[in-house]
Amino acid sequence: DAGVTQSPTHLIKTRGQQVTLRCSPKSGHDTVSWYQQALGQGPQFIFQYYEEEERQRGNFPDRFSGHQFPNYSSELNVNALLLGDSALYLCASSLTGYEQYFGPGTRLTVT
Amino acid sequence: AQSVTQPDIHITVSEGASLELRCNYSYGATPYLFWYVQSPGQGLQLLLKYFSGDTLVQGIKGFEAEFKRSQSSFNLRKPSVHWSDAAEYFCAVGAGDYKLSFGAGTTVTVRA
Repeated sequence: DAGVTQSPTHLIKTRGQQVTLRCSPKSGHDTVSWYQQALGQGPQFIFQYYEEEERQRGNFPDRFSGHQFPNYSSELNVNALLLGDSALYLCASSLTGYEQYFGPGTRLTVT
Repeated sequence: AQSVTQPDIHITVSEGASLELRCNYSYGATPYLFWYVQSPGQGLQLLLKYFSGDTLVQGIKGFEAEFKRSQSSFNLRKPSVHWSDAAEYFCAVGAGDYKLSFGAGTTVTVRA
């Protein structure tokens, strides 16, 4: 049974650029959440998608947007990248919304 | 809004010794509580969860945690640590709005 997968593993972008990160949920899960983990900190909730709609959003600017597809996979888009967006981006999937299983993450470096 | 505090930034423990990691939460009602473990450069692995019922919960890798409502705590314990338990541990709380709020984490170092 495949767990949560994310792509790419690592990414380097320049300030002002845009980036798209991808996530495939664990088999049987229908809900995808995204988190940002800065170095030395705990993950911070960005948003959660359920039934292709954003169900809940954390305290992140509109530069962060997402999408969920009919097969439950999801994308996180970040526009106008800032140096402070450098972080590990984690995707988590769940069936109930709470018991969340995390993928390995995408390490984004903004230069 | 809910919040989580992990008072210990770093703990060093000898292999074979017991381990206890502290977690305190702030929330008006009974939250959903979780412990996750993260190895360097990796994602988070769910160790155990508390939703309701028995306040002592068992998890994977020999870990257990106890929910104490009076102390707003959910401390993680392991009777005998192995070198492979060296990692960062995060406590998280869910409080009715589907998002998880995480503590800052505790780094565990295991010495031989």
